[in-house]
Amino acid sequence: NAGVMQNPRHLVRRRGQEARLRCSPMKGHSHVYWYRQLPEEGLKFMVYLQKENIIDESGMPKERFSAEFPKEGPSILRIQQVVRGDSAAYFCASSYRETEAFFGQGTRLTVV
Amino acid sequence: QKEVEQNSGPLSVPEGAIASLNCTYSDRGSQSFFWYRQYSGKSPELIMSIYSNGDKEDGRFTAQLNKASQYVSLLIRDSQPSDSATYLCAVRRAGTSYGKLTFGQGTILTVHP
Repeated sequence: NAGVMQNPRHLVRRRGQEARLRCSPMKGHSHVYWYRQLPEEGLKFMVYLQKENIIDESGMPKERFSAEFPKEGPSILRIQQVVRGDSAAYFCASSYRETEAFFGQGTRLTVV
Repeated sequence: QKEVEQNSGPLSVPEGAIASLNCTYSDRGSQSFFWYRQYSGKSPELIMSIYSNGDKEDGRFTAQLNKASQYVSLLIRDSQPSDSATYLCAVRRAGTSYGKLTFGQGTILTVHP
């Protein structure tokens, strides 16, 4: 039973480019959460999605960031026009309904 | 005041000793409490969850919760070098999804042989 799969593991983007981060939840899990971990800071909640629905995006920056979890395929966190301050580790977690969430290995985004 | 605060660390203990990690939270509506372990460059791994006052033991790990004092702790007995990692305290507010957690900044634990 594969865990939460994130790809790519490492992503380098130049300032102004777009970054797309993918997350495939554990089998049977329909709840997906995205977190960001900035250097020397704790994990911060960004967004909570279920299939085709954004449930809670209270932690998402107002501009340039968006997330989706389509009926088919992985959840996508999209960052448009990246800036150096977006460099961080982005973690996806999934859960089966209202149970404890499990984290993926993360995508480490570097903006140069 | 941060919502979740952990003892700043880093914490260094000798192999075989008890490591004590502490966490306080400000939101009295917090209902669920978790300890995650994160090795450098890796993902957070859930090691303990606790929901009611008192102690919960799992192997070498004991979580303690005191809601009146808004305090949760993690004790690691017989510490091993492999326990060296960052330990993250996380809380969930009542009425929110299980995956929506507020994390502390983490405490770095080093267990030296």
